[in-house]
Amino acid sequence: QQKVQQSPESLSVPEGGMASLNCTSSDRNFQYFWWYRQHSGEGPKALMSIFSDGDKKEGRFTAHLNKASLHVSLHIRDSQPSDSALYFCAASECNYAQGLTFGLGTRVSVFP
Amino acid sequence: NSKVIQTPRYLVKGQGQKAKMRCIPEKGHPVVFWYQQNKNNEFKFLINFQNQEVLQQIDMTEKRFSAECPSNSPCSLEIQSSEAGDSALYLCASRLGKTNSDYTFGSGTRLLVI
Repeated sequence: QQKVQQSPESLSVPEGGMASLNCTSSDRNFQYFWWYRQHSGEGPKALMSIFSDGDKKEGRFTAHLNKASLHVSLHIRDSQPSDSALYFCAASECNYAQGLTFGLGTRVSVFP
Repeated sequence: NSKVIQTPRYLVKGQGQKAKMRCIPEKGHPVVFWYQQNKNNEFKFLINFQNQEVLQQIDMTEKRFSAECPSNSPCSLEIQSSEAGDSALYLCASRLGKTNSDYTFGSGTRLLVI
């Protein structure tokens, strides 16, 4: 079973619309969460990190973490065509040497 | 532009051949990770280093892969005898020695084993 599960698998959003992505972890050792974005042919790039309960906003992106339920979400406001990409939720434990555990990704397509 | 530099971008090898890829981590990042991302976008952790020392590695890496991060040289990952199932995107990442620091990824080396 995947320790980090993402939904939906894919999402189509009109330009200017809101995209909402979800992520749930089954491992209570995970304390730190990231959202990464990967465009075709590139490596993943960190969008946001969130470590505390509640919301974190950076520009058009807002992440929400509920540690009790190990649920993380990402909302993209005013979606742009350049937001079309694969979005990965990733988690790590309280050990800087520990690698990230990734979900299987959500493919976001923004259409004009 | 990525601060983690991976070379080459593409690598084509025959089955049984060696395949070697390199990574220059972000300056000042002592911890380096190698991941394999398959065609289904699944990430598999392979091995990680702190400075020149191996911290963790999976069984597959121990048997068919060799990796090192020498001082003042690029890190490298080498597959001793490539198999078709090794075709994937190999990603190198680095980070500071802090639990809340970002992992910075390179653009990857795409390996095709034919």
